[in-house]
Amino acid sequence: DIVMTQSPDSLAVSLGERATINCKSSQSVLYNSNNKNYLAWYQQKPGQSPMLLIHWASTRESGVPDRFSGSGSGTDFTLTISSLQAEDVAVYYCQQYYSTPWTFGQGTRVEIK
Amino acid sequence: EVQLVESGGGLVQPGGSLRLSCAASGFSFSTSWMSWVRQAPGKGLEWVAYIRQTGSEKDYVDSVKGRFTISRDNAKNSLYLQMNSLRDEDTAVYYCARWAAPGFDYWGQGTLVTVSS
Repeated sequence: DIVMTQSPDSLAVSLGERATINCKSSQSVLYNSNNKNYLAWYQQKPGQSPMLLIHWASTRESGVPDRFSGSGSGTDFTLTISSLQAEDVAVYYCQQYYSTPWTFGQGTRVEIK
Repeated sequence: EVQLVESGGGLVQPGGSLRLSCAASGFSFSTSWMSWVRQAPGKGLEWVAYIRQTGSEKDYVDSVKGRFTISRDNAKNSLYLQMNSLRDEDTAVYYCARWAAPGFDYWGQGTLVTVSS
């Protein structure tokens, strides 16, 4: 199984400041035949179901604000919130879909400082 | 409007069974891969199972293989999860989700399953 490890477990960022979440996979999730990274990011706000933010490691879902961006390749990935807003308080998860069992990171809680 | 509405959760004793249902609307259910994802109280997300459009292919996380069965009825736009031999560690909110390859793009509100004596 591919193990996904996020860091940090939680972070507190001031409004308008940058938040950076890291995600590392235990093996590469880059599929060489199409040069795509099989990695997604989700946001789960308190009391809500998760929401897909980014797929293929860096492609934003329709309607997701452009302050959210994804980067990385192979085994190391980053989700960046360029200017934190109050509505971004949530737990963020990375997920690999390179192979089953599809696995998630443990989550990173983002709060306002 | 896309809707996924789960039902069937509740309190069950260890070793018991439960059948979850998910009613889908607002998108083409019959052409969608579907999945169950669970979240133990205060914990992270865990993929449980998926089923392809016709039900011809299914897969499960190892911890539920042989105990859980995912199925679907495209005529009723419904997804199911039959859970047998339930254990304490199966306690979680169970979400029905559409797998859009490359991501779970639609999620239900979840149904809570509590396994306890």
